Amino acid sequence: SAVISQKPSRDICQRGTSLTIQCQVDSQVTMMFWYRQQPGQSLTLIATANQGSEATYESGFVIDKFPISRPNLTFSTLTVSNMSPEDSSIYLCSVGGSGGPYEQYFGPGTRLTVT
Amino acid sequence: AQSVAQPEDQVNVAEGNPLTVKCTYSVSGNPYLFWYVQYPNRGLQFLLKYITGDNLVKGSYGFEAEFNKSQTSFHLKKPSALVSDSALYFCAVRDSKSAGNNRKLIWGLGTSLAVNP
Repeated sequence: SAVISQKPSRDICQRGTSLTIQCQVDSQVTMMFWYRQQPGQSLTLIATANQGSEATYESGFVIDKFPISRPNLTFSTLTVSNMSPEDSSIYLCSVGGSGGPYEQYFGPGTRLTVT
Repeated sequence: AQSVAQPEDQVNVAEGNPLTVKCTYSVSGNPYLFWYVQYPNRGLQFLLKYITGDNLVKGSYGFEAEFNKSQTSFHLKKPSALVSDSALYFCAVRDSKSAGNNRKLIWGLGTSLAVNP
């Protein structure tokens, strides 16, 4: 299984600022996913990031608010821009697993609080 | 619309007793079903999956799940619960309408399992 790390593990930010979350994988992967897990809620897919192409955003998420970079096969960043308290959430990155279709491995998450 | 339902927000069981965490789904086509677990202050971990084959699938940490097509259910089970099983459990299903290799999953809201000593 892939080992995934995320930085920072948590942060407290002021509204109007931006935070970039890093996701590092210990092996090369084609697909990386960014999720949001709001308090008491399930996971919501923000976007899918493939190396060498533009990220694919889900309904309700836009590139201006959540720009994503995918410079190589082991790394991705998600930026939460112009933050508001509603952006307070856990942000998770994941990668496709080697065990077959749709199996995913997740990073430990970044807990973001916006004040 | 495709969806996953976990009807119980919380399940409480005594250590040593069997546990069941329920999941029902609604998708078009053949379902690909998954269970993930989120331990406190840790990331989500894959537990098991059903793609095809035997309706009873076995996964990590002694967990198993039974696929029931007629009831559109995929309940997670364990014969004897441990205190260390206390965690948040998520059921997920493949979004059969996602294009190509997007591999999008539809997630349930999660069930908090508390195993009491």
